[in-house]
Amino acid sequence: QQQVKQSPQSLIVQKGGISIINCAYENTAFDYFPWYQQFPGKGPALLIAIRPDVSEKKEGRFTISFNKSAKQFSLHIMDSQPGDSATYFCAALYSGAGSYQLTFGKGTKLSVIP
Amino acid sequence: EPEVTQTPSHQVTQMGQEVILRCVPISNHLYFYWYRQILGQKVEFLVSFYNNEISEKSEIFDDQFSVERPDGSNFTLKIRSTKLEDSAMYFCATPGRVTEAFFGQGTRLTVV
Repeated sequence: QQQVKQSPQSLIVQKGGISIINCAYENTAFDYFPWYQQFPGKGPALLIAIRPDVSEKKEGRFTISFNKSAKQFSLHIMDSQPGDSATYFCAALYSGAGSYQLTFGKGTKLSVIP
Repeated sequence: EPEVTQTPSHQVTQMGQEVILRCVPISNHLYFYWYRQILGQKVEFLVSFYNNEISEKSEIFDDQFSVERPDGSNFTLKIRSTKLEDSAMYFCATPGRVTEAFFGQGTRLTVV
């Protein structure tokens, strides 16, 4: 019940295209859903996050769509650039108990080709 | 910019040896977490440490692991007797203003 399932495992997108990564969760107590971007040899860096009281959040070219009833959320990268090539992790957290235990998906390796 | 710095960046150790990984906050954080990432796999929570006590730990964080704040500034993760399967990237992280976590650059531990 603590799992976060992420797909696809890898993704190749043409420059300028839209990258879409999907995640699904089971634990309805999760109340915070961040996305992290990780470059090789670096730590995960927070990209964008959403709480379940909104259905969409946009920051620049990055958008999270959230479907509470389906227990799914997705990351959309518009106008994908080669510099976006990285591994993306979705994560979930139940913050109500003062917890900081993030549960991560398995990651999606995005390659944006020119 | 990461809010923590980790040392060493890479450590190679023999199986059965003890290792200590260090994390130094840029500002005065009381709350720390440790995560690990086995090569090519997902990031996994190990432990959270608040005000000199463990507040949460996962099943991975068994008796071989311990955390400390030995001198009031840096935080350490100790693995008493390393196993081959302990080879991974180890990240410390601090909380942000809301609920987000800021990760350090990580320490790559290689057990041979």
